Order: sequence, then structure tokens, then C-alpha cells
Amino acid sequence: AAGVIQSPRHLIKEKRETATLKCYPIPRHDTVYWYQQGPGQDPQFLISFYEKMQSDKGSIPDRFSAQQFSDYHSELNMSSLELGDSALYFCASSLESTATAFFGQGTRLTVV
Amino acid sequence: EDQVTQSPEALRLQEGESSSLNCSYTVSGLRGLFWYRQDPGKGPEFLFTLYSAGEEKEKERLKATLTKKESFLHITAPKPEDSATYLCAVQDNNAGGTSYGKLTFGQGTILTVHP
Repeated sequence: AAGVIQSPRHLIKEKRETATLKCYPIPRHDTVYWYQQGPGQDPQFLISFYEKMQSDKGSIPDRFSAQQFSDYHSELNMSSLELGDSALYFCASSLESTATAFFGQGTRLTVV
Repeated sequence: EDQVTQSPEALRLQEGESSSLNCSYTVSGLRGLFWYRQDPGKGPEFLFTLYSAGEEKEKERLKATLTKKESFLHITAPKPEDSATYLCAVQDNNAGGTSYGKLTFGQGTILTVHP
């Protein structure tokens, strides 16, 4: 079965640079979520989209933005990167009607 | 604010030694409680969704149960390949009854099963 696809899997950036993470949800899923997971931490909700509209917002820094495109893929844009942004970033997708979210394998971002 | 607390933080078992993981939660209106398994550096892998108190679900050596305040993940005769972090998460119904779907996670239980 198709899963959530994230790219790239690994990304190394320098401080103050910009990064773009991509997420391709499971086909026909209408909701996409982004989560950040620091070392030894649980995943923290950043932002979500339902039918290409932002549906909820969590602890996402103003330096970050995200959008969902007409083909339902989503991108998380991160600017002015800081060392503390180093983490695993997960995308998940679901059908709003069933609630269960399926996660991608994540993008490991390292800021040096 | 939704809260999820998992215990214990870490659990070491011998192969075949059954045990349970606990997830206590506080939520204004529960839409669903979820269990995930996470291996190091990987994405959370979906295990179960529970929607209402009294519900139980099973998959191989795992069984999840739900009450109005907590959920248990029972592991029967575990094997070394069951070693992972087990995450519990809740999804809230907002006041309007429409869920936006975000998950609030607990800190997880790190399970190690020794052969």
C-alpha cells in the first residue's frame, strides 16, 4: 500500500539558511499534518491542512511557513535556520472522516 | 489543554515476559486515542485507534484497551523485535464538534525485550 513520502530524508544546512521539506500524502487523503520531533522528545504539532486550506496551527515559529498544493502535496519552508531547529520533521496524512494519521519516514534536518 | 502521560518511561522485559504500558489522558472531548510504535530515526508506525471507553483491539502480541481516563497497551509473550518506543496520542473534538485532527502525544515508553 502507498505510504506518506517525504523528501529529502536528510538535510544539512548552515545557520541562517533556508530549507524546504516536501510531503506527498497517501492518495485520496484530504488532511496533511507537520510535526517536529527533537532528540528524545515526543512529536510536536506544527501545522495542518484540510483540503488545501490551513486547518490548525500549533507551535510553529514565524520563520516557518507551509502550504498544500492542488495535487495535495505539502511543503514546509523554514527560513533563518537556527541550531535549535535541528530535529526530525514528520509529515502525516489522514482522511478527515476516519481520524487515523499515517506518518512518513521523516526528514532529519541538521543545522550547523 | 490536552495532556497525555505515559508510564513507565522505560521498560525492560525478558522474552516471553508479558506486561502493560499505561497512557493517562485529559481531553475536553475525545475523538480518538492512538497507539504508535516508533523505531529510532523512523516515523511513528500506526498500531491502533480506539474511539470509546470499553473498546479493545488486538494485533498479534498487542492488545489495546480504553477507559474514560486511560488506555493500556498489553504485550503478551514479547519478542526482541517488539523493542521500540511506544507512543500514545489523543485527538480532541473541538467545541464545535469538528476535529482538525492534530495529535497530542505522550513522551512514550521505551520498551526493550531481551532474548
